[in-house]
Amino acid sequence: QKEVEQNSGPLSVPEGAIASLNCTYSDRGSQSFFWYRQYSGKSPELIMFIYSNGDKEDGRFTAQLNKASQYVSLLIRDSQPSDSATYLCAVKSRSTLGRLYFGRGTQLTVWP
Amino acid sequence: DTEVTQTPKHLVMGMTNKKSLKCEQHMGHRAMYWYKQKAKKPPELMFVYSYEKLSINESVPSRFSPECPNSSLLNLHLHALQPEDSALYLCASSQDSMLVEAFFGQGTRLTVV
Repeated sequence: QKEVEQNSGPLSVPEGAIASLNCTYSDRGSQSFFWYRQYSGKSPELIMFIYSNGDKEDGRFTAQLNKASQYVSLLIRDSQPSDSATYLCAVKSRSTLGRLYFGRGTQLTVWP
Repeated sequence: DTEVTQTPKHLVMGMTNKKSLKCEQHMGHRAMYWYKQKAKKPPELMFVYSYEKLSINESVPSRFSPECPNSSLLNLHLHALQPEDSALYLCASSQDSMLVEAFFGQGTRLTVV
C-alpha cells in the first residue's frame, strides 16, 4: 500500500495570509504529484501538478517538490475565504500503473 | 476544455433495482476511471479503463459492473446494491493512464435505500 500523508487540520488562516499545506509520500518511485481542491459535497478540482523537483507557480498557488525528502507542498498566497475547502494531495507512479493515491486531505478555513 | 460530464447528479435506488451511471468526455483522453468517495474520506479507485480496455479492477464487488462502449463514454452498472454502497461516485479521465493529471466529473450522489 502506498502511503500519502497529510495533516488533516483543520488549518485556519486569516484572509490575505499565506496558507501552507504539506504532504509526504512513502513510494520513492512516485513521479507525478497533484493537488486537488474539494468543496464540501462537490468533486475534486485539479489546481496544480508538478513532476520535477523545485517550485511551480500558477497565480496565487505554488507547488513545491522535494523528491529526496519525499515531500510536496502547496502554498496559497493572499488567501481568500473562497479558498476554504479540503485540499487533497495525490501521487502517481509508473510502477503502480498510474494509480492515483490520495492523502486524507487537509481542511483549510480562511476567515475574513 | 477539461469537462467530464456525469449523469445523473443524484440517484436514489432500492436494493433490488438496476441502474446505470454515465460519464462522458470529449477531450480525447484515453484513460477513464471510476472512484467512490464516502463522506470525509479521500476518493477510492474502483476501475481504470485504458484505451477502452479494463486495466485495473480494485477487487470491486460484482454488483458494480463497468463498461466502456467507446473512448468517450464510461458506464457503471449497478445491481443489488447495499445501503453501505451509498456514496459519491466520481468519474475521471486523463490523457493516458500513467503519469499525467486526471480531471474529475461532478459526481453522482448515490443513495441506496
